[in-house]
Amino acid sequence: KQEVTQIPAALSVPEGENLVLNCSFTDSAIYNLQWFRQDPGKGLTSLLLIQSSQREQTSGRLNASLDKSSGRSTLYIAASQPGDSATYLCAVTGGNQFYFGTGTSLTVIP
Amino acid sequence: DTAVSQTPKYLVTQMGNDKSIKCEQNLGHDTMYWYKQDSKKFLKIMFSYNNKELIINETVPNRFSPKSPDKAHLNLHINSLELGDSAVYFCASSQDYLRGDTQYFGPGTRLTVL
Repeated sequence: KQEVTQIPAALSVPEGENLVLNCSFTDSAIYNLQWFRQDPGKGLTSLLLIQSSQREQTSGRLNASLDKSSGRSTLYIAASQPGDSATYLCAVTGGNQFYFGTGTSLTVIP
Repeated sequence: DTAVSQTPKYLVTQMGNDKSIKCEQNLGHDTMYWYKQDSKKFLKIMFSYNNKELIINETVPNRFSPKSPDKAHLNLHINSLELGDSAVYFCASSQDYLRGDTQYFGPGTRLTVL
């Protein structure tokens, strides 16, 4: 059974710093890997989707990479802002796989 | 215009009661999901329907029964509520579950069982 882990569980950085969130999965036979953002008391918002044949996806200040062979994905956030404070979740999806990671709670300090 | 909506947003009820949560999506998607997020914020899939057919049924007590009257709606009925059912329940939808298309989530229903 697929297991998805995110490290660190919590991260606090000063505004303007670049940062990396990590996601690892145990079974490399995946369809897609998605990154989501969850604000307190709200639902999840999709940030980026990387198909299994792709290596990375970019959207604005966000860049997500995927290394299937090592079972890893990273989410890079450039020039962090206080508005980036949220919980970030990665998920392995596709076929009959819908497994979410444990999340990283990010706080960007003004 | 809300893409995925859930009602109610909050639900407080006594143990043993039966309750329903409704979900609707106006994105024209074929697949809908129910997830449970526990107190530790861990999100786990419960059910998934594709074109009104059940495709995923994780290890969930049979007190939970999903119903999809059409592909835009997926409701969740819970019988004989227990304390451990307290959680936030999220509905989501995507165009195609096989491809792992982007999922769009509703705002969640916070269920508290007293």
